[in-house]
Amino acid sequence: NAGVTQTPKFQVLKTGQSMTLQCAQDMNHNSMYWYRQDPGMGLRLIYYSASEGTTDKGEVPNGYNVSRLNKREFSLRLESAAPSQTSVYFCASSEEGGQFRAGELFFGEGSRLTVL
Amino acid sequence: TQLLEQSPQFLSIQEGENLTVYCNSSSVFSSLQWYRQEPGEGPVLLVTVVTGGEVKKLKRLTFQFGDARKDSSLHITAAQPGDTGLYLCAGVVPYNTDKLIFGTGTRLQVFP
Repeated sequence: NAGVTQTPKFQVLKTGQSMTLQCAQDMNHNSMYWYRQDPGMGLRLIYYSASEGTTDKGEVPNGYNVSRLNKREFSLRLESAAPSQTSVYFCASSEEGGQFRAGELFFGEGSRLTVL
Repeated sequence: TQLLEQSPQFLSIQEGENLTVYCNSSSVFSSLQWYRQEPGEGPVLLVTVVTGGEVKKLKRLTFQFGDARKDSSLHITAAQPGDTGLYLCAGVVPYNTDKLIFGTGTRLQVFP
């Protein structure tokens, strides 16, 4: 009954440090996504992966990298964190072949990141 | 850049009142989804509307997709404290970009 699992749930970084957010889904979904959520701005897509082995940029990819390790796992890496990357990060998955298919997104509980 | 503006941004009401949340854009969407997000959790899908003019009901919640597929509304009848949360609309952009664009969100607080 896990669905989408994100780790860590909370993280504090200093400017310039690097870190990786991990995401795993157990629903056998093809597509996975990383969003960031900031007050008054809704959810903005950072990167997505329509299938294992492929990744594409979303609306706000600068400063991030991703890896689709296998069908289950999709990680987000901040190579050199900046205060502007302070946000709540959500991983999501869907069973459709791409987000244009209007499939339901299943979200994790979020990872709250603070960059000092 | 496609934008989905939601209004109002915040809404505080008493239990039993009715309310409407709006989701507007100048762009056409293939379909539109509504999500509800509770504190400390990720958004959860409530409904998807696909056809212009479509109306869907989910208990006390009524969702409508505009005829031109540029806007949508969510109406809640007799709101309850359990309706409290952040409501997000999300539009599927057709043709080239084929992206899911989220709205700015409406935070609803229903007091007993």
